[in-house]
Amino acid sequence: EAGVAQSPRYKIIEKRQSVAFWCNPISGHATLYWYQQILGQGPKLLIQFQNNGVVDDSQLPKDRFSAERLKGVDSTLKIQPAKLEDSAVYLCASSIDRNTEAFFGQGTRLTVV
Amino acid sequence: AQTVTQSQPEMSVQEAETVTLSCTYDTSESDYYLFWYKQPPSRQMILVIRQEAYKQQNATENRFSVNFQKAAKSFSLKISDSQLGDAAMYFCAYRSVANFGNEKLTFGTGTRLTIIP
Repeated sequence: EAGVAQSPRYKIIEKRQSVAFWCNPISGHATLYWYQQILGQGPKLLIQFQNNGVVDDSQLPKDRFSAERLKGVDSTLKIQPAKLEDSAVYLCASSIDRNTEAFFGQGTRLTVV
Repeated sequence: AQTVTQSQPEMSVQEAETVTLSCTYDTSESDYYLFWYKQPPSRQMILVIRQEAYKQQNATENRFSVNFQKAAKSFSLKISDSQLGDAAMYFCAYRSVANFGNEKLTFGTGTRLTIIP
C-alpha cells in the first residue's frame, strides 16, 4: 500500500514570496489533515478535510494560508505572502475516516529567509 | 482545550536496556484516545501505540507498552530491550472521540531518545 506522498521535500523562499505544497493521501482515505511543526515543537493542526469539505480550520492563519482538496483526493496548501515565522515542517496525514489511525507523509521543510 | 505535556526534552538509554518516557495531559472529557508517535530524522510520524481511554488494560505492541493512569491523567511509554533503531523523537498525542470537527491530534513537545551502543 502506497503511503501519503508529499512534495516538495524541501523549499527555501524569501519572505513575502508565495509557496505551495502538495499532498496525495492514501487511496480511499476520506479524511486529510495538514499540520505545521515548528522546530522544537509538536505538530499543530492547520486544517482538516472530510472528503472535499473543511471540518476544522480554526488554527489556519486565513490572511495568508489557504488550502483546498479538489475532488476529495489531492490537497494543496498555499502560503502567500510568507513570513519568517512560517519556517517549519508541513506534514500531511490521512485516515480512512474520522475514527481511525492517521498516516503521515514525510513532510515538506520550509525555510523562509 | 486539551493540553499534552512531555517534561523530558531528552532521554538516553543503553542498548538492550529499558527506558520510560513520560506524558501527562489535561482534559475534561471522559472518553478519548492517547497515542505515542515516533519521528525519526526522515520526519515521518509513525504510530507506535494507541490507548483507548475506556479500556483499563494497558496497550502493548511487542517491545512497547504503556502505563495508562486515567485518574492521574498520565500516559507513559516503556521501551524494553532498546535497539539502535529506536532512536528518534517521541511524541505523545491526544485525540477526542470523534465528534464531528473534533478529531485533531494534540501533540506534546516531544522527547528526543538517544540509544547508547
